[in-house]
Amino acid sequence: GAGVSQTPSNKVTEKGKYVELRCDPISGHTALYWYRQSLGQGPEFLIYFQGTGAADDSGLPNDRFFAVRPEGSVSTLKIQRTERGDSAVYLCASSSRTDEQFFGPGTRLTVL
Amino acid sequence: ILNVEQSPQSLHVQEGDSTNFTCSFPSSNFYALHWYRWETAKSPEALFVMTLNGDEKKKGRISATLNTKEGYSYLYIKGSQPEDSATYLCAHHNFNKFYFGSGTKLNVKP
Repeated sequence: GAGVSQTPSNKVTEKGKYVELRCDPISGHTALYWYRQSLGQGPEFLIYFQGTGAADDSGLPNDRFFAVRPEGSVSTLKIQRTERGDSAVYLCASSSRTDEQFFGPGTRLTVL
Repeated sequence: ILNVEQSPQSLHVQEGDSTNFTCSFPSSNFYALHWYRWETAKSPEALFVMTLNGDEKKKGRISATLNTKEGYSYLYIKGSQPEDSATYLCAHHNFNKFYFGSGTKLNVKP
């Protein structure tokens, strides 16, 4: 079956712009996670959805970052007033059980 | 924040060599330890989920062990092949969060 998909695969933007990153989870998966991987580091937790609600958003670095999942399926990560330090690979994962996560290929964001 | 560390950071081996990497993690509040294989431009692929102290898991030429009391896991690759070239990530699973190490980047030369 189809895995987790993320669009776009690459996004180049200018400092100060707004970006949206999309995640399509595996059908039926109630849990959805966003991670950020900066150069030389491992993926870092940002936010976790259970259904439509954000169960844990403690990893969002500041109020420029926001994520939604209005119908409990597709999720969008929104970044306002992008900064060069936001450049990273943004990974999405979904799961139906707490002991596993299936990852998408990521969106590589470059802020010039 | 849980500190998960992996070593070495990168590894270059010849085809046919066997190799191993280390993942260390806090031993308190342990739930599970995950290993992922991540090739460039692809999705991280789950290799193993390990939960019990002393667990040993194997998939083909790749195997892993777990010591929850001292907080480490080893990943072994026997007879490395060029297609094994990837970044190998471990993640400590605590409640609903995965805490990842920075990965070991393996390059297998033909």
